[in-house]
Amino acid sequence: QSVLTQPPSASGTPGQNVAISCSGSSSNIGSEYVSWYQQLPGAAPKLLIYRNNQRPSGVPDRFSGSKSGTSASLAISGLRFEDEADYYCAAWDDAHWLFGGGTKLTVL
Amino acid sequence: QVQLVQSGAELKRPGASVKVSCKASGYTFTGYYLHWVRQAPGQGLEWVGWINGNTGGTNYAEKFQDRVTMTRDTSISTAYMELTRLTSDDTGHYYCARTLPGRGSGGFDSWGQGSLVTVSS
Repeated sequence: QSVLTQPPSASGTPGQNVAISCSGSSSNIGSEYVSWYQQLPGAAPKLLIYRNNQRPSGVPDRFSGSKSGTSASLAISGLRFEDEADYYCAAWDDAHWLFGGGTKLTVL
Repeated sequence: QVQLVQSGAELKRPGASVKVSCKASGYTFTGYYLHWVRQAPGQGLEWVGWINGNTGGTNYAEKFQDRVTMTRDTSISTAYMELTRLTSDDTGHYYCARTLPGRGSGGFDSWGQGSLVTVSS
């Protein structure tokens, strides 16, 4: 069982906005940066967000991240079919890394 | 461009060991940590540990402490992960991924393609 808690699933229709939550504790999200990853079917994970809300070059601005206290959130605006994937949050915790359990996003 | 290229698929018997490699290019190998992340079939990501590309220092997840060894060869910019006493629960894809040293505030910004390890009798 992951120490970072994500909902197992989320869904939306094209054009909608969706948000995926990630809940942790004071020793990880509460005091460290959060990053987010997208994993398309059959592919390696890809960095979407780092330092809570920063996008690497090439990541569309439809993806945004935020953090408040011991929780973080990934928001996707203007949902597209190609956004259908698994999404993971991650954070540092006492010299170790933790991943959330992952959220499967379905675009209906 | 940054690339992490991993070794191919492995089929191992229970009780055996496996050694997976990750060859880095496009950046200064000694300036980053390399991590190993496991993904069992249909499951989420699980952090296994990291190796400091510069010093060779390591830090492993408690779950793998007594079975995993991470090494690196700076002359060929390659990191290795060896996992011993394999069981069927070790079946999955093993990814290497890069972070900056320390708390890795930039996240895992580059990933290998994954190496499938299958443990079966």
